[in-house]
Amino acid sequence: NAGVMQNPRHLVRRRGQEARLRCSPMKGHSHVYWYRQLPEEGLKFMVYLQKENIIDESGMPKERFSAEFPKEGPSILRIQQVVRGDSAAYFCASSPTGTGNQPQHFGDGTRLSIL
Amino acid sequence: AQTVTQSQPEMSVQEAETVTLSCTYDTSESNYYLFWYKQPPSRQMILVIRQEAYKQQNATENRFSVNFQKAAKSFSLKISDSQLGDTAMYFCAFMKLFQGAQKLVFGQGTRLTINP
Repeated sequence: NAGVMQNPRHLVRRRGQEARLRCSPMKGHSHVYWYRQLPEEGLKFMVYLQKENIIDESGMPKERFSAEFPKEGPSILRIQQVVRGDSAAYFCASSPTGTGNQPQHFGDGTRLSIL
Repeated sequence: AQTVTQSQPEMSVQEAETVTLSCTYDTSESNYYLFWYKQPPSRQMILVIRQEAYKQQNATENRFSVNFQKAAKSFSLKISDSQLGDTAMYFCAFMKLFQGAQKLVFGQGTRLTINP
């Protein structure tokens, strides 16, 4: 039973380019969460999605960042016109339900570096 | 808004010793979940232990146990018989109970080093 799969593991972009981070949840999980971890800090919530719906995007920056979780395929976190401050590790987690009694399972993260 | 505070940025103990990591949180909710996650150098996020706030009994998972003091809003992690593989960042996290509010709020982390 595969866990949460994130790719790529490492992504290098130049300032102004676009970054696309992908997350495939565990089998049977329809709830996906994205978190960002800046160096030497804890994870910060960004967005919570179910299939085709954004449930909570209170942690997403208002500009340049977007997320989707289509009916088919992985969840995508998209960062347009990247800047140096976007350099971070981005983690995806999934759970089978929207209730808190099911812990979130994390992927290995995507480390984004901006040149 | 909920906040989680880990007051110990770094800790270091000898192998086989017992170590306790501190965590306090602030919330107006009466029912919620608390978690400890481990992040080894490989950067994975691994669930160590979970506590439901409505349960008075402290959670235990093998060498890992918690001391949950609801009135004091304190949630410490005790690691007994520490092993070299326990070396990692440890994050305390809070989650509301209700559906649709499942985001985790993390503390800043404690870097734990187990020395041989």
